[in-house]
Amino acid sequence: SQQGEEDPQALSIQEGENATMNCSYKTSINNLQWYRQNSGRGLVHLILIRSNEREKHSGRLRVTLDTSKKSSSLLITASRAADTASYFCATPTQGGSEKLVFGKGTKLTVNP
Amino acid sequence: DARVTQTPRDKVTEMGQEVTMRCQPILGHNTVFWYRQTMMQGLELLAYFRNRAPLDDSGMPKDRFSAEMPDATLATLKIQPSEPRDSAVYFCASAGSGNTIYFGEGSWLTVV
Repeated sequence: SQQGEEDPQALSIQEGENATMNCSYKTSINNLQWYRQNSGRGLVHLILIRSNEREKHSGRLRVTLDTSKKSSSLLITASRAADTASYFCATPTQGGSEKLVFGKGTKLTVNP
Repeated sequence: DARVTQTPRDKVTEMGQEVTMRCQPILGHNTVFWYRQTMMQGLELLAYFRNRAPLDDSGMPKDRFSAEMPDATLATLKIQPSEPRDSAVYFCASAGSGNTIYFGEGSWLTVV
C-alpha cells in the first residue's frame, strides 16, 4: 500500500535548535500532509503541500517536497518544549483520493 | 470551535463483550473515517463513509467489526465479540470539501 515512512523514528533536541523530519512515499501523489499528535490526543493537521509546490512555510514550519525522490521534509525552526509530539506524514492512496495513509511517525522530544 | 466528538474516551472491557464507540463529526462534513492506532501497526484506516454511505471498509475485520452511520451526525464502530488484540486507540475523523482531516481525541480501548 502507499504509505509514508518517517525518518528518524525518534529525535531528541534542545530548545532553540531546529528539528528536521523526513518522509518517503512510494507512488505518485498530488499532495502530502503533515500532522502532529500530542501524547494522548488526536492528530492535528499542520500543513499540506501540493505536488506542484517545492516548499511551503507556516510560522516556524517549513515543508519541502521532492516528487522526483518521492520524499518530503518537515523543518521546525527554533524549537520549543511545547513542540514535543509525534509528527506524521500522510499521503492519499490513489493520487487525489481523500483516503489518507499515515506513516508511523517521528517522536520529537524538545528538552528545555 | 468545531470539533469531532468521540465517546467513550476510555473503555476497559472483558474479552467477549460488545463494544460500541460513537462519533459526532464536524457539522457539515460529509466524509467520516475510522482509524485504529497501535504501537506496532501505527495508524490503520478501518473504514470510511461519504454522505453516510460506506465507501471502503477493507481495513476492518468483518467477522467482528461493523461500522455504520445512522444519520449525518452519528457514526458508530462496533466490536462483537471483543478480543485482547483489539486493544488500541480508535480515532474518528471527518473531512469537508478540502483535503484536511479533522480528528477526534480518540477512544482508548482495553480488552482484558
